[in-house]
Amino acid sequence: GESVGLHLPTLSVQEGDNSIINCAYSNSASDYFIWYKQESGKGPQFIIDIRSNMDKRQGQRVTVLLNKTVKHLSLQIAATQPGDSAVYFCAVVTGTASKLTFGTGTRLQVTL
Amino acid sequence: EAGVTQSPTHLIKTRGQQATLRCSPISGHTSVYWYQQALGLGLQFLLWYDEGEERNRGNFPPRFSGRQFPNYSSELNVNALELEDSALYLCASSLLQGLMDEQYFGPGTRLTVT
Repeated sequence: GESVGLHLPTLSVQEGDNSIINCAYSNSASDYFIWYKQESGKGPQFIIDIRSNMDKRQGQRVTVLLNKTVKHLSLQIAATQPGDSAVYFCAVVTGTASKLTFGTGTRLQVTL
Repeated sequence: EAGVTQSPTHLIKTRGQQATLRCSPISGHTSVYWYQQALGLGLQFLLWYDEGEERNRGNFPPRFSGRQFPNYSSELNVNALELEDSALYLCASSLLQGLMDEQYFGPGTRLTVT
């Protein structure tokens, strides 16, 4: 969910498989959603974003799906590679309230 | 093009002291954001500055403050340091005013309070 301060869950995926990382949010007025990747010792790096008037957006090997009905966001990584190992955060923006909240994050471990 | 830079990389202070952290945004970016990331945890939003004004702040006590300078660089000040302030402090900048834009993060300042 959007709450922060909780210890990170871990997702372990075999190299070549697809990964799906999920995020739930609570405010139906949220209108902008971003996925960030944070590698060890570095700041978060933008992966992909989606606005509330869309339900799917694709990038290179990544797809973000937005389900506003159940307030759920997911990041799909195709053909996961060792370099994808990192912590992934969703960020949820409620523009009218000028509020940005990061999700708890998921640690993706890619096994060979 | 240079990314977001932060200084210092590491900062060690004792409880009760004050810490000052600095951030330079990407050239042309006017919005600067500060986040706290405690070890192994998620990011907590601290402050957002745009055009020299504080636009929003997270759920942190007043001893966390900052400012943005005319050149859009920013400073985060933490007064009366407590042990639990030990964390990675991340600065980010964005091109567009408001939160509906990609943020570019710096490498962070690791603050240790002993």
